[in-house]
Amino acid sequence: EVQLVESGGVLVQPGRSMKLSCAASGFTFSSFPMAWVRQAPTKGLEWVATISTSGGSTYYRDSVKGRFTISRDNAKSTLYLQMDSLRSEDTATYYCTSGGGYWGQGVMVTVSS
Amino acid sequence: DIQMTQSPSFLSASVGDRVTINCKASQNINRYLNWYQQKLGEAPKLLIYNANSLQTGIPSRFSGSGSGTDFTLTISSLQPEDVATYFCLQHNSWPYTFGAGTKLELK
Repeated sequence: EVQLVESGGVLVQPGRSMKLSCAASGFTFSSFPMAWVRQAPTKGLEWVATISTSGGSTYYRDSVKGRFTISRDNAKSTLYLQMDSLRSEDTATYYCTSGGGYWGQGVMVTVSS
Repeated sequence: DIQMTQSPSFLSASVGDRVTINCKASQNINRYLNWYQQKLGEAPKLLIYNANSLQTGIPSRFSGSGSGTDFTLTISSLQPEDVATYFCLQHNSWPYTFGAGTKLELK
């Protein structure tokens, strides 16, 4: 059974940092590009960042470029999202996804003072 | 960025009805269009990929069509468990972008 389990979400003050993790199992993690997608409360979906199978290529939406870093550890089947200089508009549920196919249940990130 | 215009935003239909949801891309995205179903409090679920390919395990009453800029998701006979919000996603070019969603309710 495919599982993607996100962790690391919490309440954080604006300007601070947070790191999300996504542990994968049930499929060949190293064969899939991976991504983070977010959804602000009562809003639509927003594709945040993508990483290639090797980790050699990454893509970010403009609003997070320079602040967020996506990475992966294929030996541990784990995806990460380092989020720095957080803003209130980053408040959302963050989903880990295997390029849009498999999805985790999401982790809530709240940025507020 | 490619804009995805999804319609309608809200849809009320009866069990057994044929339901169609549309997505229009602001430029050609070939067939790089996915459809997702999201139930309240849950993660999105992939229904259709690359415009018309049914994801494994998804009931055959769901189908997708279109190419270029105009795409359609069809539910041939609405079931109670289909109550959800539906999103389209273009994955032709970065940044990937979603439609705003269609909330489907039972009449």
